[in-house]
Amino acid sequence: EDQVTQSPEALRLQEGESSSLNCSYTVSGLRGLFWYRQDPGKGPEFLFTLYSAGEEKEKERLKATLTKKESFLHITAPKPEDSATYLCAVAAGGTSYGKLTFGQGTILTVHP
Amino acid sequence: EAQVTQNPRYLITVTGKKLTVTCSQNMNHEYMSWYRQDPGLGLRQIYYSMNVEVTDKGDVPEGYKVSRKEKRNFPLILESPSPNQTSLYFCASSPSDRNYNVLTFGAGSRLTVL
Repeated sequence: EDQVTQSPEALRLQEGESSSLNCSYTVSGLRGLFWYRQDPGKGPEFLFTLYSAGEEKEKERLKATLTKKESFLHITAPKPEDSATYLCAVAAGGTSYGKLTFGQGTILTVHP
Repeated sequence: EAQVTQNPRYLITVTGKKLTVTCSQNMNHEYMSWYRQDPGLGLRQIYYSMNVEVTDKGDVPEGYKVSRKEKRNFPLILESPSPNQTSLYFCASSPSDRNYNVLTFGAGSRLTVL
């Protein structure tokens, strides 16, 4: 069974205080790992796709990295508008081609 | 505007009264999926569809039905809703190429079953 565990559950930062969110996964044959952002009252919004260990993607203050067991979402000098829930998801190989398993999310709050 | 539209956005119903949550996308996407989101449990996949007339179960399909008669529509049917189906539901779609897990989500439908 595919499993995705995100930590911490909640993270409070001061504006400008850099940190990282973790996504650990267990999957039989990773086809892709995905990061989404969800604002209150809205659907998740796509951020990044990572396909293989060692891959990195960047977007503004966010940088996602991938190893064989986990992914990190690094947030550099965050701003209050970065406050949101960040979701990690994995897609496995095999016959379950359309299945996507999400973690529980990390609630990020950035204080001015 | 490219989007996934869900209706209704909010619904309060009673146990056993059949209901349908509609989902429509205007991006010509092949892949569509339904999720429910519950506190502490995250997003869990209910059903997904790789294309018209092709549907498959996700992790929590019990109590739900879906159909994919047209490419743009993927309704979620609760034949006999129960209180444990009270949740926030999201429909999502994506293209069928390598980016097919790059999902575009709808705004969500909050369902309460009394």
